[in-house]
Amino acid sequence: DTGVSQDPRHKITKRGQNVTFRCDPISEHNRLYWYRQTLGQGPEFLTYFQNEAQLEKSRLLSDRFSAERPKGSFSTLEIQRTEQGDSAMYLCASSRSGSHEQYFGPGTRLTVT
Amino acid sequence: DQQVKQNSPSLSVQEGRISILNCDYTNSMFDYFLWYKKYPAEGPTFLISISSIKDKNEDGRFTVFLNKSAKHLSLHIVPSQPGDSAVYFCAASAGLPFMNYGGSQGNLIFGKGTKLSVKP
Repeated sequence: DTGVSQDPRHKITKRGQNVTFRCDPISEHNRLYWYRQTLGQGPEFLTYFQNEAQLEKSRLLSDRFSAERPKGSFSTLEIQRTEQGDSAMYLCASSRSGSHEQYFGPGTRLTVT
Repeated sequence: DQQVKQNSPSLSVQEGRISILNCDYTNSMFDYFLWYKKYPAEGPTFLISISSIKDKNEDGRFTVFLNKSAKHLSLHIVPSQPGDSAVYFCAASAGLPFMNYGGSQGNLIFGKGTKLSVKP
């Protein structure tokens, strides 16, 4: 059990650029979640996959955001035309079906200048 | 509208004493509650959880108490150690699919966190 990994750990980008983050969940976990955390707040749910199916999207996930999990293993989160308000920590978590406990990765800190 | 509230942004405790972190929730559909610990520049680490069918769950120095009628839970750490200094998040989940409460099957709703400082 190597834990949830995320890449990159930090990303600085200019407003208007596209960015993509990757998450590798714990290998036997079939559920994968993306959250966003800003300063002084708890993590906020963005979207969720069960295997390769994206089952839920938060209203926080604007049209500029897209997430994929093509083979039911790793996932990517892409933000197009980044805005300064997108600056946040993007967290990925995974869990087994039927389990409430989610295990988080270290996060990707995005700074949009 | 915050469904999970941690009203104390910070708490300072002496080493060896008890730390009590509190959490209130508003949505009666929540049926599972979790506590996470977070160090700076790291993701949240799962600590302990409790199902709504229980009122207490204990794991070593950590105990979570749930009072369903008051929609309140608390995390007790005893004895507190300097390494416990971190931000603690309370989270809630409703296991039912597709319920219209702003969540989904199993995603977590977090409070804003309480920063615990344990002084030697």
